[in-house]
Amino acid sequence: RKEVEQDPGPFNVPEGATVAFNCTYSNSASQSFFWYRQDCRKEPKLLMSVYSSGNEDGRFTAQLNRASQYISLLIRDSKLSDSATYLCVRSGGYNKLIFGAGTRLAVHP
Amino acid sequence: GAVVSQHPSWVICKSGTSVKIECRSLDFQATTMFWYRQFPKQSLMLMATSNEGSKATYEQGVEKDKFLINHASLTLSTLTVTSAHPEDSSFYICSAFKGTGTGGNEQYFGPGTRLTVT
Repeated sequence: RKEVEQDPGPFNVPEGATVAFNCTYSNSASQSFFWYRQDCRKEPKLLMSVYSSGNEDGRFTAQLNRASQYISLLIRDSKLSDSATYLCVRSGGYNKLIFGAGTRLAVHP
Repeated sequence: GAVVSQHPSWVICKSGTSVKIECRSLDFQATTMFWYRQFPKQSLMLMATSNEGSKATYEQGVEKDKFLINHASLTLSTLTVTSAHPEDSSFYICSAFKGTGTGGNEQYFGPGTRLTVT
């Protein structure tokens, strides 16, 4: 089983749509979780950290369920500029980051 | 901010040659840097942890004699791909860890180096 599993997509949605990505992880000892965004041929960039209480940053909402080892990302009112690959990430030991393979999002007019 | 640079941004080399990639933290000191490799449509895979002043720690399955890592200063780590082969063609990304002092995990990524071995 992969350490971090994501639906690869692609998710093709129209502008303005709401889209949700899910992620599961296998190591229950993980302390920290993140969503990163990666554009084609670019480095990943931190989108937001994920907390058990849920957190929101503008149109983006992240949720963590430790009991189910499940993480989600909700994007509301999708923009064309949201098109990218979204990477679910958990912390490993010694400050390492363990990446999922990513979910591709394509927002069309 | 925290800026990390990589050089070169892309490189083409012939099979059997060696290629050195540099990773620099430009505005902070990083005792720990990480090297990742990403094949098309795949995840970033951690190759090794580079520790300033000590030997790198390699992930399982990564050949330490093939991927030489040197972290000679608090702002520079280098990855040398020795005797490169076409299967080493990939996107190599480094990150530098900037400790927050409060247990936060802040890694800042370089822009990546695209290596093509012919």
